[in-house]
Amino acid sequence: GAVVSQHPSWVICKSGTSVKIECRSLDFQATTMFWYRQFPKQSLMLMATSNEGSKATYEQGVEKDKFLINHASLTLSTLTVTSAHPEDSSFYICRCTSGSSRDTQYFGPGTRLTVL
Amino acid sequence: GESVGLHLPTLSVQEGDNSIINCAYSNSASDYFIWYKQESGKGPQFIIDIRSNMDKRQGQRVTVLLNKTVKHLSLQIAATQPGDSAVYFCAEIPDYKLSFGAGTTVTVRA
Repeated sequence: GAVVSQHPSWVICKSGTSVKIECRSLDFQATTMFWYRQFPKQSLMLMATSNEGSKATYEQGVEKDKFLINHASLTLSTLTVTSAHPEDSSFYICRCTSGSSRDTQYFGPGTRLTVL
Repeated sequence: GESVGLHLPTLSVQEGDNSIINCAYSNSASDYFIWYKQESGKGPQFIIDIRSNMDKRQGQRVTVLLNKTVKHLSLQIAATQPGDSAVYFCAEIPDYKLSFGAGTTVTVRA
């Protein structure tokens, strides 16, 4: 069964609105969660890394004020796309790890965001 | 910067034949590699992994080969089935981050 869930699985919103995407680890404590973005026919690009209770570390070129990440518990991380624009339309995927990144890591099913 | 890359973006294979997907990496510090399969509209699915102290690892119908000398990975799929049609990514982990290659789209012909 799925060990990482994302909600919603897809969302359509108007330009200028904010959208929150949740990532939950279902049966393990995710000490670290990663957020990726994937445009059509492209690879996954890491956006940010978040550790529970700490501020997220953003990759170069990713606006931290636009993509707000909260990792308030060991089972939940949220990504909020603020003032979304059509160019933010993408597939957003989280990855959860527990302890050593080599031992337990799972991807969520992804969230398809379409900004009109 | 350092990156993981795929040699070929697409691969068309006849059902029942074997598939070979190649991947080059450039971070010599990477000691752990993973192959993922991603079907349309879904998140990546773990296929098989290999550590740098190994040259080969076999799973069910899949084999991963690692050549550290030339920084090359390959994924071999035996008796390719229609359900194997997907995009395949190799990924390396030099630290907690996981870097993906561009991906190879595999299409299985009936």
